[in-house]
Amino acid sequence: GAVVSQHPSWVICKSGTSVKIECRSLDFQATTMFWYRQFPKQSLMLMATSNEGSKATYEQGVEKDKFLINHASLTLSTLTVTSAHPEDSSFYICSASQGAPSGNTIYFGEGSWLTVV
Amino acid sequence: QKEVEQDPGPLSVPEGAIVSLNCTYSNSAFQYFMWYRQYSRKGPELLMYTYSSGNKEDGRFTAQVDKSSKYISLFIRDSQPSDSATYLCAMSLYTGANSKLTFGKGITLSVRP
Repeated sequence: GAVVSQHPSWVICKSGTSVKIECRSLDFQATTMFWYRQFPKQSLMLMATSNEGSKATYEQGVEKDKFLINHASLTLSTLTVTSAHPEDSSFYICSASQGAPSGNTIYFGEGSWLTVV
Repeated sequence: QKEVEQDPGPLSVPEGAIVSLNCTYSNSAFQYFMWYRQYSRKGPELLMYTYSSGNKEDGRFTAQVDKSSKYISLFIRDSQPSDSATYLCAMSLYTGANSKLTFGKGITLSVRP
Protein backbone atom coordinates (compact mmCIF):
# COMPACT_ATOMS: atom_id res chain seq x y z
CA GLY A 1 0.00 0.00 0.00
CA ALA A 2 0.89 3.65 -0.14
CA VAL A 3 3.49 4.85 2.32
CA VAL A 4 3.80 8.16 4.06
CA SER A 5 7.08 8.84 5.81
CA GLN A 6 7.81 11.33 8.55
CA HIS A 7 11.15 12.57 9.80
CA PRO A 8 12.35 12.82 12.46
CA SER A 9 10.53 10.24 14.56
CA TRP A 10 11.77 11.83 17.78
CA VAL A 11 13.13 15.27 18.44
CA ILE A 12 14.07 17.14 21.58
CA CYS A 13 14.66 20.84 21.37
CA LYS A 14 15.28 23.74 23.70
CA SER A 15 12.57 26.23 24.45
CA GLY A 16 12.69 29.14 22.02
CA THR A 17 14.21 27.24 19.13
CA SER A 18 12.51 26.06 15.94
CA VAL A 19 11.98 22.51 14.78
CA LYS A 20 11.15 21.23 11.31
CA ILE A 21 9.24 18.01 10.65
CA GLU A 22 9.06 16.51 7.18
CA CYS A 23 6.25 14.48 5.65
CA ARG A 24 6.82 12.61 2.41
CA SER A 25 4.55 10.50 0.25
CA LEU A 26 6.91 7.80 -0.96
CA ASP A 27 5.09 6.19 -3.86
CA PHE A 28 2.37 8.57 -4.86
CA GLN A 29 1.84 12.26 -5.43
CA ALA A 30 -0.18 14.16 -2.87
CA THR A 31 -1.50 17.59 -3.76
CA THR A 32 -2.94 17.80 -0.27
CA MET A 33 -1.50 16.69 3.04
CA PHE A 34 -2.86 17.15 6.53
CA TRP A 35 -1.10 17.88 9.80
CA TYR A 36 -2.47 16.67 13.12
CA ARG A 37 -1.33 16.80 16.69
CA GLN A 38 -2.21 14.25 19.32
CA PHE A 39 -1.79 14.58 23.06
CA PRO A 40 -1.46 11.42 25.17
CA LYS A 41 -4.68 9.41 25.28
CA GLN A 42 -6.41 11.99 23.11
CA SER A 43 -7.65 11.86 19.56
CA LEU A 44 -6.05 13.41 16.53
CA MET A 45 -6.74 17.10 16.17
CA LEU A 46 -6.44 18.57 12.70
CA MET A 47 -4.09 21.55 12.67
CA ALA A 48 -3.96 22.49 9.02
CA THR A 49 -4.41 21.40 5.45
CA SER A 50 -1.26 21.69 3.38
CA ASN A 51 -1.78 22.48 -0.30
CA GLU A 52 0.96 22.06 -2.86
CA GLY A 53 1.99 25.38 -4.31
CA SER A 54 -0.28 27.50 -2.16
CA LYS A 55 -0.81 28.61 1.42
CA ALA A 56 -1.91 26.16 4.04
CA THR A 57 -5.40 26.33 5.50
CA TYR A 58 -5.32 26.41 9.28
CA GLU A 59 -8.01 25.21 11.65
CA GLN A 60 -9.54 27.63 14.09
CA GLY A 61 -7.29 28.27 17.06
CA VAL A 62 -4.07 27.17 15.36
CA GLU A 63 -1.47 29.93 15.13
CA LYS A 64 -0.25 30.11 11.55
CA ASP A 65 2.82 32.12 12.52
CA LYS A 66 3.83 29.51 15.04
CA PHE A 67 3.19 26.42 12.95
CA LEU A 68 4.63 27.16 9.52
CA ILE A 69 3.65 24.77 6.78
CA ASN A 70 5.33 24.53 3.41
CA HIS A 71 4.22 22.17 0.66
CA ALA A 72 6.95 22.73 -1.89
CA SER A 73 6.42 19.63 -4.01
CA LEU A 74 3.85 16.93 -4.68
CA THR A 75 5.63 14.57 -2.32
CA LEU A 76 6.85 16.77 0.51
CA SER A 77 5.23 18.94 3.15
CA THR A 78 7.05 20.41 6.13
CA LEU A 79 5.80 21.65 9.48
CA THR A 80 8.05 24.06 11.37
CA VAL A 81 7.28 24.75 15.00
CA THR A 82 8.75 28.18 15.64
CA SER A 83 9.85 29.50 19.02
CA ALA A 84 8.87 26.22 20.61
CA HIS A 85 7.58 26.09 24.17
CA PRO A 86 7.09 23.11 26.47
CA GLU A 87 3.34 23.18 25.80
CA ASP A 88 4.11 22.45 22.14
CA SER A 89 5.40 19.04 23.20
CA SER A 90 3.15 16.57 21.43
CA PHE A 91 2.87 13.85 18.81
CA TYR A 92 2.62 15.39 15.35
CA ILE A 93 1.24 13.26 12.53
CA CYS A 94 0.80 13.96 8.85
CA SER A 95 -1.46 12.26 6.37
CA ALA A 96 -1.86 12.19 2.62
CA SER A 97 -4.57 10.92 0.36
CA GLN A 98 -3.96 8.78 -2.66
CA GLY A 99 -7.29 10.01 -3.94
CA ALA A 100 -8.37 6.74 -5.51
CA PRO A 101 -11.48 7.01 -7.67
CA SER A 102 -13.24 4.37 -5.60
CA GLY A 103 -12.90 6.19 -2.37
CA ASN A 104 -10.94 8.22 0.06
CA THR A 105 -7.83 6.32 1.04
CA ILE A 106 -5.86 8.35 3.54
CA TYR A 107 -2.53 7.14 4.82
CA PHE A 108 -0.77 8.41 7.90
CA GLY A 109 2.87 8.86 8.65
CA GLU A 110 4.46 7.20 11.64
CA GLY A 111 4.34 10.44 13.59
CA SER A 112 6.97 12.66 15.15
CA TRP A 113 7.38 13.03 18.89
CA LEU A 114 8.40 16.54 19.86
CA THR A 115 9.66 17.29 23.35
CA VAL A 116 10.49 20.89 24.19
CA VAL A 117 12.67 21.31 27.24
CA GLN B 1 -22.10 17.87 21.54
CA LYS B 2 -19.00 16.70 19.72
CA GLU B 3 -19.38 15.76 16.08
CA VAL B 4 -18.12 12.24 16.69
CA GLU B 5 -18.50 10.40 19.97
CA GLN B 6 -16.72 7.19 20.74
CA ASP B 7 -16.99 4.96 23.81
CA PRO B 8 -14.04 6.02 25.98
CA GLY B 9 -12.99 2.59 27.24
CA PRO B 10 -10.52 1.15 27.94
CA LEU B 11 -11.73 -2.27 26.96
CA SER B 12 -10.17 -5.55 28.06
CA VAL B 13 -11.25 -8.90 26.62
CA PRO B 14 -9.90 -12.46 26.65
CA GLU B 15 -8.29 -13.89 23.55
CA GLY B 16 -10.85 -15.28 21.13
CA ALA B 17 -13.63 -12.92 22.20
CA ILE B 18 -15.77 -10.94 19.80
CA VAL B 19 -15.15 -7.23 20.20
CA SER B 20 -17.65 -4.53 19.34
CA LEU B 21 -16.46 -0.94 18.99
CA ASN B 22 -18.91 1.87 18.34
CA CYS B 23 -19.14 5.51 17.35
CA THR B 24 -22.03 7.88 17.01
CA TYR B 25 -22.06 11.12 15.11
CA SER B 26 -24.23 14.17 14.82
CA ASN B 27 -23.61 15.40 11.27
CA SER B 28 -25.92 13.53 8.92
CA ALA B 29 -23.89 14.77 5.96
CA PHE B 30 -21.02 12.38 6.72
CA GLN B 31 -20.83 9.80 3.96
CA TYR B 32 -17.46 8.09 4.31
CA PHE B 33 -16.57 6.12 7.40
CA MET B 34 -13.26 4.67 8.44
CA TRP B 35 -11.70 2.72 11.25
CA TYR B 36 -8.04 3.18 12.10
CA ARG B 37 -5.85 1.15 14.41
CA GLN B 38 -3.08 2.93 16.25
CA TYR B 39 -0.36 1.15 18.16
CA SER B 40 1.39 3.00 20.94
CA ARG B 41 3.59 5.83 19.66
CA LYS B 42 2.80 5.06 16.02
CA GLY B 43 0.72 6.68 13.31
CA PRO B 44 -2.82 5.38 12.63
CA GLU B 45 -3.21 2.50 10.19
CA LEU B 46 -6.31 2.27 8.00
CA LEU B 47 -8.32 -0.87 8.83
CA MET B 48 -11.66 -0.45 7.15
CA TYR B 49 -13.28 2.03 4.81
CA THR B 50 -16.99 2.13 4.02
CA TYR B 51 -19.26 4.40 2.07
CA SER B 52 -22.81 5.09 3.24
CA SER B 53 -24.87 2.48 5.09
CA GLY B 54 -24.17 -1.22 5.06
CA ASN B 55 -21.64 -3.82 6.11
CA LYS B 56 -18.13 -4.56 4.94
CA GLU B 57 -16.08 -7.56 5.93
CA ASP B 58 -12.34 -8.07 5.75
CA GLY B 59 -11.02 -11.18 7.43
CA ARG B 60 -11.79 -11.00 11.14
CA PHE B 61 -13.02 -7.41 10.86
CA THR B 62 -16.52 -6.24 9.98
CA ALA B 63 -17.49 -2.60 9.67
CA GLN B 64 -21.11 -1.61 9.94
CA VAL B 65 -22.71 1.74 9.15
CA ASP B 66 -26.26 2.75 10.03
CA LYS B 67 -26.79 6.23 8.68
CA SER B 68 -30.38 6.41 9.87
CA SER B 69 -29.17 6.03 13.46
CA LYS B 70 -25.88 7.87 12.86
CA TYR B 71 -24.06 4.91 14.29
CA ILE B 72 -21.05 2.93 13.11
CA SER B 73 -19.47 -0.20 14.50
CA LEU B 74 -16.37 -2.30 14.11
CA PHE B 75 -16.53 -5.96 15.04
CA ILE B 76 -13.42 -8.04 15.62
CA ARG B 77 -13.90 -11.79 15.65
CA ASP B 78 -11.53 -14.24 17.32
CA SER B 79 -9.60 -11.37 18.88
CA GLN B 80 -5.86 -11.81 19.26
CA PRO B 81 -3.32 -10.20 21.61
CA SER B 82 -1.88 -8.50 18.53
CA ASP B 83 -5.19 -6.65 18.19
CA SER B 84 -4.33 -4.74 21.37
CA ALA B 85 -4.20 -1.12 20.24
CA THR B 86 -6.22 2.08 20.13
CA TYR B 87 -9.04 2.09 17.61
CA LEU B 88 -10.23 5.37 16.14
CA CYS B 89 -13.32 5.93 14.07
CA ALA B 90 -13.17 8.67 11.47
CA MET B 91 -15.55 10.11 8.96
CA SER B 92 -15.67 12.65 6.17
CA LEU B 93 -18.23 14.53 4.18
CA TYR B 94 -16.93 13.58 0.78
CA THR B 95 -14.14 11.72 -0.89
CA GLY B 96 -11.21 13.18 -2.70
CA ALA B 97 -7.65 14.09 -1.96
CA ASN B 98 -8.50 17.16 0.11
CA SER B 99 -11.36 15.87 2.22
CA LYS B 100 -10.94 16.33 5.97
CA LEU B 101 -11.38 13.57 8.50
CA THR B 102 -13.17 14.03 11.79
CA PHE B 103 -12.00 11.56 14.40
CA GLY B 104 -13.52 10.01 17.47
CA LYS B 105 -11.46 10.11 20.64
CA GLY B 106 -10.34 6.50 20.30
CA ILE B 107 -10.76 3.46 22.50
CA THR B 108 -7.89 1.38 23.82
CA LEU B 109 -8.42 -2.36 23.46
CA SER B 110 -6.43 -4.93 25.38
CA VAL B 111 -6.74 -8.61 24.42
CA ARG B 112 -5.55 -10.87 27.22
CA PRO B 113 -3.80 -14.14 26.24
